[in-house]
Amino acid sequence: AQSVTQLDSQVPVFEEAPVELRCNYSSSVSVYLFWYVQYPNQGLQLLLKYLSGSTLVKGINGFEAEFNKSQTSFHLRKPSVHISDTAEYFCAVSVDSGAGSYQLTFGKGTKLSVIP
Amino acid sequence: EPEVTQTPSHQVTQMGQEVILRCVPISNHLYFYWYRQILGQKVEFLVSFYNNEISEKSEIFDDQFSVERPDGSNFTLKIRSTKLEDSAMYFCASSERASGGRETQYFGPGTRLLVL
Repeated sequence: AQSVTQLDSQVPVFEEAPVELRCNYSSSVSVYLFWYVQYPNQGLQLLLKYLSGSTLVKGINGFEAEFNKSQTSFHLRKPSVHISDTAEYFCAVSVDSGAGSYQLTFGKGTKLSVIP
Repeated sequence: EPEVTQTPSHQVTQMGQEVILRCVPISNHLYFYWYRQILGQKVEFLVSFYNNEISEKSEIFDDQFSVERPDGSNFTLKIRSTKLEDSAMYFCASSERASGGRETQYFGPGTRLLVL
């Protein structure tokens, strides 16, 4: 079975500062990795995903993440945050269940608060 | 941009009552999912649905739960006799394909269920 750990439940950061949200996973098989963002009163929106190939993945809104297989990590970064980035961020993994569908396994989420 | 919609946004019910949570997936999607998030905990997979039958379900999805696609657009989650511990945010998601876990799942805004 796979699991996801997001080490920080809350991250406050000043506007225009860089931020890194940490995500570690465990799985006995190859995984696909996702970051989702949830703005207040909205659904989960995909930021980016890693399937294969280049370990640095770029997503929407200036976010990027790096897949590190040896450290089983998929940390999310942004070089300069904006007030509008205030949201909750979820890391997730998927594994092909072989049933034709698949499930996402989520971390507990990290609340990013951008301080003016 | 097409989106997944869910109704109601909030539902309050008495313990032992039946509730039906409704979702309208993106129109050309073939795979449908329900997840839930108990306050302060992880988003958890409940069930996946494809070709009018359940593909996979978690151990949470016991006999009190059922899913249905009653027509060409709606996807419902029914809880027959609600318990206090069913209080959670319920998310519906859909994907166009499964592709062995590579596909993006698109999430709705959720229904917050409170069981009293």
